[in-house]
Amino acid sequence: NAGVTQTPKFQVLKTGQSMTLQCAQDMNHEYMSWYRQDPGMGLRLIHYSVGAGITDQGEVPNGYNVSRSTTEDFPLRLLSAAPSQTSVYFCASSLVSSGANVLTFGAGSRLTVL
Amino acid sequence: SQELEQSPQSLIVQEGKNLTINCTSSKTLYGLYWYKQKYGEGLIFLMMLQKGGEEKSHEKITAKLDEKKQQSSLHITASQPSHAGIYLCGADANAGKSTFGDGTTLTVKP
Repeated sequence: NAGVTQTPKFQVLKTGQSMTLQCAQDMNHEYMSWYRQDPGMGLRLIHYSVGAGITDQGEVPNGYNVSRSTTEDFPLRLLSAAPSQTSVYFCASSLVSSGANVLTFGAGSRLTVL
Repeated sequence: SQELEQSPQSLIVQEGKNLTINCTSSKTLYGLYWYKQKYGEGLIFLMMLQKGGEEKSHEKITAKLDEKKQQSSLHITASQPSHAGIYLCGADANAGKSTFGDGTTLTVKP
């Protein structure tokens, strides 16, 4: 099992550029989410999805878009990158129907916006 | 919204020493999760606690959820360099969402 796969692992962008962080899981998990991790601020939820075709905003959604066209994929789009979006991004998934929300995380994507 | 406060923020211990990390919630916890993150990597699930008074152990790591379900502790016995990393507690919010503490960075000196 590959688990949760995130690409790219590292990315440098210039202010105003756009990009997509890819996330794929092969565990048939209903729930997928994107977090950003900044020093001293823990993990903050950006967007999440409870199933294909359903997405919702988390704690810090501004500047990010998501879509969930399949159960497996949950890409995160930055339409116009800003230096404040420099962070490490984690995608996570879980089988919520199991009664427990144990998250499986990807390895992370480190984004630098100049 | 539910907030989780972890203490201490960072911890440096000598190999072989015991240590405890605490996680305090602003609201009753219905699911408390402990994760570990090695530097530059993703988070790995350690343990889940759901019942007041529950205690779980895995190798030399023990986690407890107090009776009132508003605080959890993670205890490491006889720490080893392999225990080094960032420990985060997480809690169920709603609709499958999770909220996390800010993390505790553990350094184990050989």
